[in-house]
Amino acid sequence: QVQLQESGPGLVKPSQTLSLTCTVSGGSISGDGYYWSWIRQHPGKGLEWIGYIYYSGSTYYNPSLKSQVTISVDTSKNQFSLKLSSVTAADTAVYYCAKGGGCTGGVCYWFDPWGQGTLVTVSS
Amino acid sequence: SYVLTQPPSVSVAPGKTARITCGGNNIGSKSVSWYQQKPGQAPVVVMYYHSDRPSGIPERFSGSKSENTATLTISRVEAGDEADYYCQVWDSSSDNEVFGTGTKVTVL
Repeated sequence: QVQLQESGPGLVKPSQTLSLTCTVSGGSISGDGYYWSWIRQHPGKGLEWIGYIYYSGSTYYNPSLKSQVTISVDTSKNQFSLKLSSVTAADTAVYYCAKGGGCTGGVCYWFDPWGQGTLVTVSS
Repeated sequence: SYVLTQPPSVSVAPGKTARITCGGNNIGSKSVSWYQQKPGQAPVVVMYYHSDRPSGIPERFSGSKSENTATLTISRVEAGDEADYYCQVWDSSSDNEVFGTGTKVTVL
């Protein structure tokens, strides 16, 4: 059973870059149809898709965040990562990594499983 | 951008049926997924392809959709069903994964 675990700093200063890593265990990150996603949830609010990456490296981003976001994959470590640049207080959120489900041609139809999430606070 | 609208809250007595709606323009043409999120936990998918249940999800959970509304139905509601529920679709017009506004289900 695949499990995902986020890691990274819990506090980031405004204007800096938020960096998180998701480690995949219990299965390989590489495989046909394997897309790996980042999703965030602002405190007390709903869910917002950030983007996903195919195991081969192709990336797909939320258009509203595209200028800030870079997602990369390291298949040798079974990890994928998120970088969000020029952060502000509005980027304070719980960040989840998740595996895309039913994915084909750059589109995923659900997300399962999810990591437990990690709270990142943007503050000086 | 594509918007999915859910009622903020639904209250239901134990043993009764809860229906959570997700409204979106022409949502009937899209594949809808539903998630359950309990306090302090990550979301868990409870429905995908609008009416398919993942293994481990009780048969009490079912999904349906019409032209502009998708519905998650929870039959014989239990206290453990109390949670936030989100719908989700892929919107091809904006190349974006879109989540609904979320519904808090309270078991009375």
